[in-house]
Amino acid sequence: GESVGLHLPTLSVQEGDNSIINCAYSNSASDYFIWYKQESGKGPQFIIDIRSNMDKRQGQRVTVLLNKTVKHLSLQIAATQPGDSAVYFCAENQAGTALIFGKGTTLSVSS
Amino acid sequence: DAGVTQSPTHLIKTRGQQVTLRCSPKSGHDTVSWYQQALGQGPQFIFQYYEEEERQRGNFPDRFSGHQFPNYSSELNVNALLLGDSALYLCASSYGAEGRNSPLHFGNGTRLTVT
Repeated sequence: GESVGLHLPTLSVQEGDNSIINCAYSNSASDYFIWYKQESGKGPQFIIDIRSNMDKRQGQRVTVLLNKTVKHLSLQIAATQPGDSAVYFCAENQAGTALIFGKGTTLSVSS
Repeated sequence: DAGVTQSPTHLIKTRGQQVTLRCSPKSGHDTVSWYQQALGQGPQFIFQYYEEEERQRGNFPDRFSGHQFPNYSSELNVNALLLGDSALYLCASSYGAEGRNSPLHFGNGTRLTVT
């Protein structure tokens, strides 16, 4: 079936580096994409979203890039901090359907 | 402004028993979705409630049922518990009818352990 997945299960970076977390999706009909951050013992926390009519969207220290041609989504975190350590999920859906999550990437930030 | 609240936070049940989990949505939200998250996995969609009706359902057996109340709060019921039902159960709320995409806001979940 169609699903959302991430390229790497883990990513380790140094404090201050920029982090890039990647996600590939297979449903070409998806038109809405979200990145969530989940810390241990907590529920997923919304980071940023993007709709399919956009290629890039920026937030505070985060940027999401969407490449519809190759069905690829990425999350860039600038100046990564220890507090950014968590599991990151991309999720996607199309209008009227449930949000589907990928398996997640664990980001570890060392100081 | 309270976010999504879930109760209880932890629960231990025995195989064959029944369990009810509760969720209060974020203020201003009218749609509640339930997800199951196994250890090390992404959340899996169970079902969504809007206007007190189940609007969408994921690939879960009929042992999983739910309810939404007039105040938008919701319950998830699981009957005849199996060991494989052990997971973190997440409630998420959003605003808007089916077809309007908006970010889901999640609670911190209920950790269910079936022994």
